[in-house]
Amino acid sequence: DGGITQSPKYLFRKEGQNVTLSCEQNLNHDAMYWYRQDPGQGLRLIYYSQIVNDFQKGDIAEGYSVSREKKESFPLTVTSAQKNPTAFYLCASSIPLAGNQPQHFGDGTRLSIL
Amino acid sequence: GDSVTQMEGPVTLSEEAFLTINCTYTATGYPSLFWYVQYPGEGLQLLLKATKADDKGSNKGFEATYRKETTSFHLEKGSVQVSDSAVYFCALPYSGAGSYQLTFGKGTKLSVIP
Repeated sequence: DGGITQSPKYLFRKEGQNVTLSCEQNLNHDAMYWYRQDPGQGLRLIYYSQIVNDFQKGDIAEGYSVSREKKESFPLTVTSAQKNPTAFYLCASSIPLAGNQPQHFGDGTRLSIL
Repeated sequence: GDSVTQMEGPVTLSEEAFLTINCTYTATGYPSLFWYVQYPGEGLQLLLKATKADDKGSNKGFEATYRKETTSFHLEKGSVQVSDSAVYFCALPYSGAGSYQLTFGKGTKLSVIP
């Protein structure tokens, strides 16, 4: 079955450490997205990519970085510059430039500070 | 800009009660509209969608009708079950910089008690 796989499910970060969250999809979607979800809040867009080797900042990109070297993969790095990284991170994919098509989501990674 | 406003929760209902979760939107044109559901500890799943005015999306006993005149897309279910306990998000695609993004409501947490 096609879908999106996020790993790990739980991740802990020490002060001053960068951590990388994995997102892999086998839906053959060109577009991929990273969202941050805080308790009681909606989803906020961190970064998105419409095509391999290209990505754009979303609403809250500061302290995060991404790469898109392969169509299937869109890893997110939470850098030490992100002072409040504790949150639930969701990866999604979709057919680009199609406003009537939904985004498909992974099961998320919960990041906490040690 | 394009936005959605969603009824704030939490909402607690007894099993077999009628559910309504309100969602109104502000948008240019007539975009598609989506309802997503998030079960505890999981990512978001598409629940239903409507692509044009007067469309009714339905799935798993849930329904929502795209009302252009009231700019609304309220989610309804005639008889909720304990298994419907989850957070529900209304979402609206908007275009910008040559791509489509999704803007989400803040979510409504539903708890169904036996």
